[in-house]
Amino acid sequence: EVQLVESGGGLVQPGGSLRLSCAASGFTVSSNYMSWVRQAPGKGLEWVSVIYSGGSTYYADSVKGRFTISRHNSKNTLYLQMNSLRAEDTAVYYCARLNTAGGNAADYWGQGTLVTVSS
Amino acid sequence: QSALTQPASVSGSPGQSITISCTGTSSDVGSYNLVSWYQQHPGKAPKLMIYEVSKRPSGVSNRFSGSKSGNTASLTISGLQAEDEADYYCCSYAGSSTPLVFGGGTKLTVL
Repeated sequence: EVQLVESGGGLVQPGGSLRLSCAASGFTVSSNYMSWVRQAPGKGLEWVSVIYSGGSTYYADSVKGRFTISRHNSKNTLYLQMNSLRAEDTAVYYCARLNTAGGNAADYWGQGTLVTVSS
Repeated sequence: QSALTQPASVSGSPGQSITISCTGTSSDVGSYNLVSWYQQHPGKAPKLMIYEVSKRPSGVSNRFSGSKSGNTASLTISGLQAEDEADYYCCSYAGSSTPLVFGGGTKLTVL
């Protein structure tokens, strides 16, 4: 059974850092396209970052230069390192698998982890 | 990359059909048959309902269908049921550097 479990969220002050983790089971992270998607309170979904199976990474303009997506192959885990956090980064962060055989749609999602940036 | 445009809300009575539109541009919806739709209930993670414009994942009811014409995609839900009440998001591929462009979301109310 495919499962994604995020962790690492919490309260952080503006300018601070946080690292999110997404532990996967039932498939191999390094063989798939993986993304982070966030949702600010009461708002819609916003794509944040992607890491492709070949290792290429891309970011939304809103986080470029501040966030870094990575993976640990032996732990089968996806990460999002978030630096220079701002109030507008407050959101529930979801990790998702993009199904390459299904039009790159996000077919599996984690339960989300809440990041609150506030002093 | 701008968000796709969806109506903020739609409503319908049980048993009726509703359609949610999703308008993009020639750089996203119009260029790729890679539109997906997600259902999200309050406090829950999004769930994939439609991919590649009109395909349904295993386990998704055939009451859900998708289509596309030009730069606009649509999600139709027939035979509305109370459990369909949720937020719905469209999403399009817009290139390798922007694999997911979401719409602003549509709140479906089942009257």
